[in-house]
Order: sequence, then C-alpha cells, then structure tokens
Amino acid sequence: DTGVSQDPRHKITKRGQNVTFRCDPISEHNRLYWYRQTLGQGPEFLTYFQNEAQLEKSRLLSDRFSAERPKGSFSTLEIQRTEQGDSAMYLCASSIGLAGGREQFFGPGTRLTVL
Amino acid sequence: QQQVKQSPQSLIVQKGGISIINCAYENTAFDYFPWYQQFPGKGPALLIAIRPDVSEKKEGRFTISFNKSAKQFSLHIMDSQPGDSATYFCAASRVNSGYALNFGKGTSLLVTP
Repeated sequence: DTGVSQDPRHKITKRGQNVTFRCDPISEHNRLYWYRQTLGQGPEFLTYFQNEAQLEKSRLLSDRFSAERPKGSFSTLEIQRTEQGDSAMYLCASSIGLAGGREQFFGPGTRLTVL
Repeated sequence: QQQVKQSPQSLIVQKGGISIINCAYENTAFDYFPWYQQFPGKGPALLIAIRPDVSEKKEGRFTISFNKSAKQFSLHIMDSQPGDSATYFCAASRVNSGYALNFGKGTSLLVTP
C-alpha cells in the first residue's frame, strides 16, 4: 500500500497522560500536514512541514502540542498532559510540495479519546 | 473564524438526481479550491479541485462551478448514486500558507434508492 499511513488508528488515554502519533507520508512527498477533526466538523489545520522544516503552525496548536519530522520522512505529533477537549480524529496528509503538487492525500487518521 | 462557509449541512437526494453543495469564501488570496469526500471512519479523499482562473471543471459525474466575483463555488453530482452517500467538504487554500487547507463544515449527503 503506497498511501499515507497513521499509527495507531485508535488511542484511549486518561486525562493528563502524554500521547504520540505517527504518520508515514507517501514516498517522495515533501510536504506533510497535520489536521484535527472533531465530530461533525471539517478538519482544522494544525501544522505543516516542508521536508524536515516546520513552516507554519496554527493558533490551535497550543504549547502542549509538538510535531516533528526529523529526517523529512515520517512525522510524529505529541500531545502532553492531554485534556478531554483533545478528543478528536488526528489526520495526516502529504503532498508533493514545491514541484507544484497542491493535492493533499490523507491518511485514515488516529482517533483519540481522552477519558 | 470560519474562512469557508458551506451549505447545506445535510442533503437527501433520490437516486439519479442532482446533488448540489455550495461554498463561499472571503479571502481573495485563496487560489486553490478542492472538494473532498469522506466516509465514516476514513480520511478525506480528494474528489475534484479547481483554480480561480477557471469557471467550471468536470470529471465524470462531478462538476465544480466557480464564481470568482461572487467568491462562491459549488459541487454538482450528476446521476447521484447510493454509493455517493458520504460527507463532502469544500476547502480553500493559498500558496503563501503552503496550501494548508481551510475546510467548510461539511455536507452529509444521503442518496436514497
């Protein structure tokens, strides 16, 4: 399968715990995006990377959130001291990037439930 | 602040009918307007997209109509099928933000047999 993959698909945690999600983009895609989607809403942009550089962060990305893409391939999104309001689907997408590919291809998402 | 407004919230269409979903935007810097289809438990899948220098784009049963002066665009699904039942999102993005997508709130489409 050459699509975007995300792991885990589901995560249940208790309030105050830290969680980390992983995203593997489509091979050779330079851009990688993170979005958050709550029930009945459209995805909301969190941050994006061009290769290993994090170029933009949304105001939604509080200081409890951190994202990395250390070698320009896979990315991780960590949430520290989780709150119930963090419960959502976390989506990753990738695109070719500077070569002119605007199209973003999404992974299946990681559903986070904070108890 | 919702940068892309989408309507209706839900839509019921009979098989063979035309489904029409509308979106409006404010930021004239947006230069890319995709539509995504999402099934329950899945990530959004790109359906069709348009640039503002084109007024219409058609791919199979799906057509985007774009009105730059009105800052509106719409998705038309011709000959709607039960398999089209899903949530549809319009979005807008611009080059200066790395094409980060601003999504509408979505339209839940049900196509009845």
